[in-house]
Amino acid sequence: DVVLTQTPVAQPVTLGDQASISCRSSQSLVHSNGNTYLEWYLQKPGQSPQLLIYKVSNRFSGVPDRFIGSGSGSDFTLKISRVEPEDLGVYYCFQATHDPWTFGGGTKLELK
Amino acid sequence: EVQLVESGGGLVQPGRSLKLSCAASGFTFSNYGMAWVCQAPTKGLEWVASISTGGGNTYYRDSVKGRFTISRDNAKNTLYLQMDSLRSEDTATYYCARLSSNWAFDYWGQGVMVTVSS
Repeated sequence: DVVLTQTPVAQPVTLGDQASISCRSSQSLVHSNGNTYLEWYLQKPGQSPQLLIYKVSNRFSGVPDRFIGSGSGSDFTLKISRVEPEDLGVYYCFQATHDPWTFGGGTKLELK
Repeated sequence: EVQLVESGGGLVQPGRSLKLSCAASGFTFSNYGMAWVCQAPTKGLEWVASISTGGGNTYYRDSVKGRFTISRDNAKNTLYLQMDSLRSEDTATYYCARLSSNWAFDYWGQGVMVTVSS
């Protein structure tokens, strides 16, 4: 199975700071069709997860442009510029390139 | 507005069965693949199973193969997860999610809790 390793496990931030989360895969996430199915989700406290980014760098409808996904192959990053209170929660990367589909372990974005 | 509402969770003994439902509204259900994702208490997310638009193709994580069955009724706009031979490690909140054409879970339900315990 593809293992997605997220670092850090917890990211203490000050509101207005930039935050960066890494997601490294145990193998390339480039699908045979040429697409890279790497996504980012945010789960706010007490809520269901919500989609932020799909196919590495595409923001889902309504997601602010302070969320930026990047990367290729097996190395991916989510950057959040100017962290706001509603950005706090647990971030998960996810891959749908290889069966079985897998999530990373999560990164908790929390206040310092 | 897209809505996904799960039901059918509860407390069940090990070895018994449970069937979850997910009622969909606000979109053309038959046009979208669907999936179940679970989250054990205080743990991370795990993909459980997915199903194609017509129901002809289904996919499962190894730990549930042969025990869980994902299905759908497009006439009733409803997704199901039949859970048999339940184990304590199946205890989790189960989320129903819509699969976008980009293979992302673009909408999620509120989740339903399943507790497997004697």
